[in-house]
Amino acid sequence: GQQLNQSPQSMFIQEGEDVSMNCTSSSIFNTWLWYKQDPGEGPVLLIALYKAGELTSNGRLTAQFGITRKDSFLNISASIPSDVGIYFCAGQKSYNTDKLIFGTGTRLQVFP
Amino acid sequence: DTAVSQTPKYLVTQMGNDKSIKCEQNLGHDTMYWYKQDSKKFLKIMFSYNNKELIINETVPNRFSPKSPDKAHLNLHINSLELGDSAVYFCASSRRQERSPLHFGNGTRLTVT
Repeated sequence: GQQLNQSPQSMFIQEGEDVSMNCTSSSIFNTWLWYKQDPGEGPVLLIALYKAGELTSNGRLTAQFGITRKDSFLNISASIPSDVGIYFCAGQKSYNTDKLIFGTGTRLQVFP
Repeated sequence: DTAVSQTPKYLVTQMGNDKSIKCEQNLGHDTMYWYKQDSKKFLKIMFSYNNKELIINETVPNRFSPKSPDKAHLNLHINSLELGDSAVYFCASSRRQERSPLHFGNGTRLTVT
């Protein structure tokens, strides 16, 4: 099945640093979502993007819907230990006909 | 609490057995999903139901049979379990409309020995 290419695969950073990750696709999506998964739990929605070029923030998190509609970016500013987890992008072409396809995930580790 | 809840959280069983996982949502959503997450953390959709009607059926072995008694419940029955079925299975729900992202349950870790 199709998967979105997400990079980097993993990141090891110090507390206080900023983080950037991105997601790319060979096809166009009309919805981009970013989820975070903590160990032993399900993915939790962080940010939803519905329009090309849209830039949306949620606290220290900022995500952008790429102009080409084939990519999206997530930035985390001033990382803290509880940011540790796996971040997934997800794309969907149409809400009523197409499945939500997930990226390969970015594993984030934050050291104090 | 409003949520997607699935049971059991852990399921350990032997090859060849039949098992079921249950999922319920009280979010008022009309669409429910089953996703499989493998050991590399890849999340892949298996099935989707909208108002009890199957709308997405990926290339999943027919040993897997979803059942939706009503739009708040979607169960997954697996026959003749195989070692390769070991994974974490996530239930999710949404509204079948624009700007309605998926909400996930906390997963069922299935281990087949």
